[in-house]
Amino acid sequence: QKEVEQNSGPLSVPEGAIASLNCTYSDRGSQSFFWYRQYSGKSPELIMFIYSNGDKEDGRFTAQLNKASQYVSLLIRDSQPSDSATYLCAVRGAGGTSYGKLTFGQGTILTVHP
Amino acid sequence: DTEVTQTPKHLVMGMTNKKSLKCEQHMGHRAMYWYKQKAKKPPELMFVYSYEKLSINESVPSRFSPECPNSSLLNLHLHALQPEDSALYLCASSQAEDTSAYEQYFGPGTRLTVT
Repeated sequence: QKEVEQNSGPLSVPEGAIASLNCTYSDRGSQSFFWYRQYSGKSPELIMFIYSNGDKEDGRFTAQLNKASQYVSLLIRDSQPSDSATYLCAVRGAGGTSYGKLTFGQGTILTVHP
Repeated sequence: DTEVTQTPKHLVMGMTNKKSLKCEQHMGHRAMYWYKQKAKKPPELMFVYSYEKLSINESVPSRFSPECPNSSLLNLHLHALQPEDSALYLCASSQAEDTSAYEQYFGPGTRLTVT
């Protein structure tokens, strides 16, 4: 069973702080990693994807990937109350019966308080 | 444009009804997906269509029947559902499975209630 685990929440940060969301995965062959944001009652929205080791930045979001450690993270700088949501880490299966499938973590609830 | 549309937004159906959920994308994507999401849980994959052919069926009960009439449309036919099938049903699409762009984009979902 391929697994994706996210740091247990909920995570609460003050407005303007950096929120750090972490995810580990068990399938060492995985190549594609995604972060989705999901507001209550809404569908998941893709906010970042990363395929290579290192950092990828997009506005206030930075995704970090370390394949050797099987670890992917999402940093949100200058957190805003509108960032309050559930963040889902997803990993694309590399082969066998997992090929092409996204495996999701359980999600981390982030609350940004004014 | 990364828009996937789904209709209806909400659906209430009895256990003896037959209904269909519809999904459409105009991004030229050749892979389309159905997911089911229960409250406070991550999405669970149900079906994958790649180039309009069913490529993955995650052992979904036969009361759920997918259909891909063309490369832009995906349907999910529902029949004799159970109350435990009540959930948010999500459609997603991505470029073809055999490319390097694997990003999946979700539609807004259909909130299904089975009474």
